[in-house]
Amino acid sequence: QVQLMQSGPEVKNPGSSVKVSCKTSGGTFSTYTVSWVRQAPGQGLEWMGEIIPVFRTPKYAQRFQGRVTITADESTSTAYMELSSLRSEDTALYYCARMDAFWSGYSDWGQGTLVTVSS
Amino acid sequence: DIVLTQSPDSLAVSLGERATINCKSSQNVLESSNNRSYLTWYQHKPGQPPKLLIYWASTRESGVPDRFSGSGSGTDFTLTISSLQAADVAVYYCHQYYVAPRTFGQGTKVEIK
Repeated sequence: QVQLMQSGPEVKNPGSSVKVSCKTSGGTFSTYTVSWVRQAPGQGLEWMGEIIPVFRTPKYAQRFQGRVTITADESTSTAYMELSSLRSEDTALYYCARMDAFWSGYSDWGQGTLVTVSS
Repeated sequence: DIVLTQSPDSLAVSLGERATINCKSSQNVLESSNNRSYLTWYQHKPGQPPKLLIYWASTRESGVPDRFSGSGSGTDFTLTISSLQAADVAVYYCHQYYVAPRTFGQGTKVEIK
């Protein structure tokens, strides 16, 4: 049984950074794609970026380029998403999701991490 | 970027009736080398992470009831719920992962009439 366990809720000031973790247990980590998806209040799902840990090279959505950094630590089977220069519009539920090497969709999701940006 | 446009934005269907959601892609998402369209459908309920229903446009994920089916190829796709149940009230999203940036449709809210 694969589980993705995300870090807890965060409250941040505008202009600061947040780093959310996603620990995988019960399955292969290095060759699976880990993506980050967010949902702002009342909005739809938004893809932010992804990483395949064994390749280490992330891909990002253009609108987050320069503000988001996605990394992976194979030794702990944990992926990270760091978002900088936070603004109120970044208040959202952030999910990690995993796709296998057959590219058969995001079959496993974390429980979500609420990030609130407020002064 | 590939834009996915879902229709309708919302629909209300009677219990036991059919619900149909369309997803149109601004570009082809069919991989010609294996004839797979890299298009998935997710069900999203409040307080839960999204749930994978359909991948490769028409393959049902393990454990998903067979009242859910997907069809289409290339740029035009459909999710059908053959007999709507109360448990199916949710927002449904299509998602392409053929090219980066991966993108989602805007979502379709399904309710009971």
